[in-house]
Amino acid sequence: DVKVTQSSRYLVKRTGEKVFLECVQDMDHENMFWYRQDPGLGLRLIYFSYDVKMKEKGDIPEGYSVSREKKERFSLILESASTNQTSMYLCASSLMSGNQPQHFGDGTRLSIL
Amino acid sequence: AQSVTQLDSQVPVFEEAPVELRCNYSSSVSVYLFWYVQYPNQGLQLLLKYLSGSTLVESINGFEAEFNKSQTSFHLRKPSVHISDTAEYFCAAGNTGGFKTIFGAGTRLFVKA
Repeated sequence: DVKVTQSSRYLVKRTGEKVFLECVQDMDHENMFWYRQDPGLGLRLIYFSYDVKMKEKGDIPEGYSVSREKKERFSLILESASTNQTSMYLCASSLMSGNQPQHFGDGTRLSIL
Repeated sequence: AQSVTQLDSQVPVFEEAPVELRCNYSSSVSVYLFWYVQYPNQGLQLLLKYLSGSTLVESINGFEAEFNKSQTSFHLRKPSVHISDTAEYFCAAGNTGGFKTIFGAGTRLFVKA
């Protein structure tokens, strides 16, 4: 079974801090994704990556950046955390083709105080 | 642009009653359709998928969905629900040559005793 592991289940940070969320997958998937999930808004794509060192903006990239130095690892970075970035963050991975389902981690619930 | 609409944000239902969660998509290209389930404090898990062939697809726990091209719908059904089916359900669509999957806003299914 594919396993997608997010480094923290719960995280509390302060406004202005630089925050790193880490995600690792163990099935050699080409694609990796970062979403945020907010009540009533579903999943919104922040960034995705289809190869090492490649990244593409999603629907809401402002205030975020990403890093993919190795195929199995995809990091989300909040450059200067703000309270409106308090949310559930979900990482996912998939094989390259659009007909492949995504495999999700359990999420990180991030609170910015 | 591709979009996915889930017509109900919440669906309450009594145990052992039938349920239908509605999903419509819009796309000008061939689509692949998915239903995911999210239990509390977990990530999303694939429930079932339509790629091609038979328009009726089934999951191992009794859910089924029917691809209806003329109505651009992919509604999820179960003839008799259990308390354990209480979760949030997401409809999603991908397409040929695309990296991204478009998710609906989700439907919360509440199963009451």
